[in-house]
Amino acid sequence: GAGVSQSPSNKVTEKGKDVELRCDPISGHTALYWYRQSLGQGLEFLIYFQGNSAPDKSGLPSDRFSAERTGGSVSTLTIQRTQQEDSAVYLCASSSRTPETQYFGPGTRLLVL
Amino acid sequence: AQKVTQAQTEISVVEKEDVTLDCVYETRDTTYYLFWYKQPPSGELVFLIRRNSFDEQNEISGRYSWNFQKSTSSFNFTITASQVVDSAVYFCALSEADWGKLQFGAGTQVVVTP
Repeated sequence: GAGVSQSPSNKVTEKGKDVELRCDPISGHTALYWYRQSLGQGLEFLIYFQGNSAPDKSGLPSDRFSAERTGGSVSTLTIQRTQQEDSAVYLCASSSRTPETQYFGPGTRLLVL
Repeated sequence: AQKVTQAQTEISVVEKEDVTLDCVYETRDTTYYLFWYKQPPSGELVFLIRRNSFDEQNEISGRYSWNFQKSTSSFNFTITASQVVDSAVYFCALSEADWGKLQFGAGTQVVVTP
């Protein structure tokens, strides 16, 4: 079956602009996670969804970052007023339940100029 | 504090050599999960193996094997008879929370040359 998909695959934006990153989890997976991978910080957890609710947002680096999930499926990560330090690969993962194995999407590579 | 330590930054081997990747973790939980993921040059994280804290049995799956030792908080991973396609960054990860948040090590770059 289809894996986790993310769009866009690459995004270049100017400092101060807002961006939206999308994640489509594996069909039927109730848990969804966002991570960020950057050179300086490695792989960092951002936020976790169970269904449409987000019990843990502790990894979001600032209030410029937000995420939502609708219909227990697609999730959108929004970064407002982007900064150069937001440049990274944003990875989405899903699992059938918790704490089962997480399967990752190909990521969105974000570059803030 | 870093909960997962991968001390090896890069390992270079010649094809057919065995490669062992070290991972040391830190947790106070009695129930936890350990993972190895592979990230090839394409960038996608690929799940390899998972162990539960209550199962220390070590196994072999094809060319992969792992050594999980709770006494030393280590979860080492071995690739037998390495191939060029094994060239990638390998990440060890720990999940303590019931809902599965992963905490990753810094990764080990494996370079396999023909």
